[in-house]
Amino acid sequence: EVQLQQSGAELVKPGASVKLSCKTSGYTFSNYYMSWLKQMPGQNIEWIGNIYGGNGGTGYNQKFKGKATLTVDKSSSTAYMDLSSLTSEDSAVYFCAREGATIAAPFDYWGQGVMVTVSS
Amino acid sequence: DTVLTQSPALAVSPGERVTISCRASESVSTRMHWYQQKPGQQPKLLIYGASNLESGVPARFSGSGSGTDFTLTIDPVEANDTATYFCQQSWNDPPTFGGGTKLELK
Repeated sequence: EVQLQQSGAELVKPGASVKLSCKTSGYTFSNYYMSWLKQMPGQNIEWIGNIYGGNGGTGYNQKFKGKATLTVDKSSSTAYMDLSSLTSEDSAVYFCAREGATIAAPFDYWGQGVMVTVSS
Repeated sequence: DTVLTQSPALAVSPGERVTISCRASESVSTRMHWYQQKPGQQPKLLIYGASNLESGVPARFSGSGSGTDFTLTIDPVEANDTATYFCQQSWNDPPTFGGGTKLELK
């Protein structure tokens, strides 16, 4: 069974950074892309970027370049996202989601999401 | 970026047929996917490639369309279908989502 388990909720101060994790199981991590997505309360879902589990190659939404940095640890089948210089606009729920195996595939499995709250 | 436009809300009675539309600002071929999201949960994939039913999803759900106009149909609607439904395109970069259609049952 494919599972994506995300780390717990974060309360961080403005200007700080936070590192979110997404531990996977039930599939071959190195064969798939992992995406990260942002959902502000009651709002649209935005794609932040993706990373290939095999070689760590990344692609970013231009809007999030400089804000998010994606990495992977193949040995533990875990994907990470660093968010830097946090502001109130970064308060949101962040999801990791596996991209299906085909080109232009959908997000077929999702983590449970993690709430990040930026507040002093 | 490709903008996906959805109606914000619909209300239907159990047993009825409901169609949820999604219009893209440019062609996305058939790379349109549909998700269901219930409060406090992650989105769940229902339909991929415009019309393909994801494994384990009831056959009450179906999708159609190509180019710029797409539809998700639920027939018949059940009480458990109360949720927000999002369309998402993966043809143009970056992938984008519609604003979601909140389905309520009367």
